[in-house]
Amino acid sequence: GIQVEQSPPDLILQEGANSTLRCNFSDSVNNLQWFHQNPWGQLINLFYIPSGTKQNGRLSATTVATERYSLLYISSSQTTDSGVYFCAVERGTSYDKVIFGPGTSLSVIP
Amino acid sequence: GAGVSQTPSNKVTEKGKYVELRCDPISGHTALYWYRQSLGQGPEFLIYFQGTGAADDSGLPNDRFFAVRPEGSVSTLKIQRTERGDSAVYLCASSLTGTSGGIDTQYFGPGTRLTVL
Repeated sequence: GIQVEQSPPDLILQEGANSTLRCNFSDSVNNLQWFHQNPWGQLINLFYIPSGTKQNGRLSATTVATERYSLLYISSSQTTDSGVYFCAVERGTSYDKVIFGPGTSLSVIP
Repeated sequence: GAGVSQTPSNKVTEKGKYVELRCDPISGHTALYWYRQSLGQGPEFLIYFQGTGAADDSGLPNDRFFAVRPEGSVSTLKIQRTERGDSAVYLCASSLTGTSGGIDTQYFGPGTRLTVL
């Protein structure tokens, strides 16, 4: 099956710093999502981004489908950004079966 | 309800026991998913329901795991003869139609943390 890799596995940032998280996938996909799982375990969708670039406030994401990778940018990080960021891909054509990567654990310290 | 709810939030059981985990999806959502998340890992797909039927159960690890959704809303994940390796957070998600391609957002519940002693 398709392999989804994320880097780095762990990241510690000083509040206000910027960061880039990377997701590589081994085969073509119909869609790609970025999720944030907060320290209490709640998963929230951040972006649907099969290709191109999207921005939402301090977060932006870019997917280069032909090269099979996606990047999540976090600017001016805040302590509330802490948690685990997952990249997840969809391959199915009939429904949105999602395959998650292993995640990047982010800690933002004041 | 306002979101996806799961009960119980925590479940501790002994090896060999039977457990049931419940998921209440967002009202009106026809698609429902179960995932299992082990410590330090991403969620792993278990089963997908479209209405009352299990459209894809390819992620269930073995025949000790079974899930139902008899009326197309609430779903129950059932685990027989639990093993220590079943310990994980079990997540439920629902979406309006289950359509692929980013048309439909999956909303996740808070999860049930299962510990098998």
